[in-house]
Amino acid sequence: DTAVSQTPKYLVTQMGNDKSIKCEQNLGHDTMYWYKQDSKKFLKIMFSYNNKELIINETVPNRFSPKSPDKAHLNLHINSLELGDSAVYFCASSQGQGGDTQYFGPGTRLTVL
Amino acid sequence: AQRVTQPEKLLSVFKGAPVELKCNYSYSGSPELFWYVQYSRQRLQLLLRHISRESIKGFTADLNKGETSFHLKKPFAQEEDSAMYYCALGVRAAGNKLTFGGGTRVLVKP
Repeated sequence: DTAVSQTPKYLVTQMGNDKSIKCEQNLGHDTMYWYKQDSKKFLKIMFSYNNKELIINETVPNRFSPKSPDKAHLNLHINSLELGDSAVYFCASSQGQGGDTQYFGPGTRLTVL
Repeated sequence: AQRVTQPEKLLSVFKGAPVELKCNYSYSGSPELFWYVQYSRQRLQLLLRHISRESIKGFTADLNKGETSFHLKKPFAQEEDSAMYYCALGVRAAGNKLTFGGGTRVLVKP
């Protein structure tokens, strides 16, 4: 029944590796997002997709590449991981783009060693 | 560019005392303001939004455009209110991007 799910919940990896985080929503929403929460709990938008189309692309290194195979999924692939990428990554979804409530996933805690 | 400021990183109150979390925003357009809450080991969830003008779990928030504020208030704090609270500004013109404040941790002591 989980509305917005993410896998994995925890990810520990070495610097330089490539990893992916998956997100799925079963709410029938059109818009999905990725946020990053740093060690100071500050939350910042990274990307947004609406019906598989990229809408928001904040100033994020191009090592981060979102992919939306369909409107229920938005995955985040990260190349050449760096220590500074360690954070909690949250996926979210909303019905549309017009100020609609966003529903968040449980988060993926990424630790880069 | 939009900006959200939550000046208090930590608020510690006793059970039954009033609690007010401050939020100020900077945005030239018509804002959509939200309060999200993150309880320990749980996901971020919507607490309330200004257009609803409702009270959730005893919390209320009033949008004051003159002071560009959206403070969150509860007259009698409960221990289960202990959590991280985020004020957020939504911008329709920017694809519903949410800009979050830095968060305020509320600790309600027995």
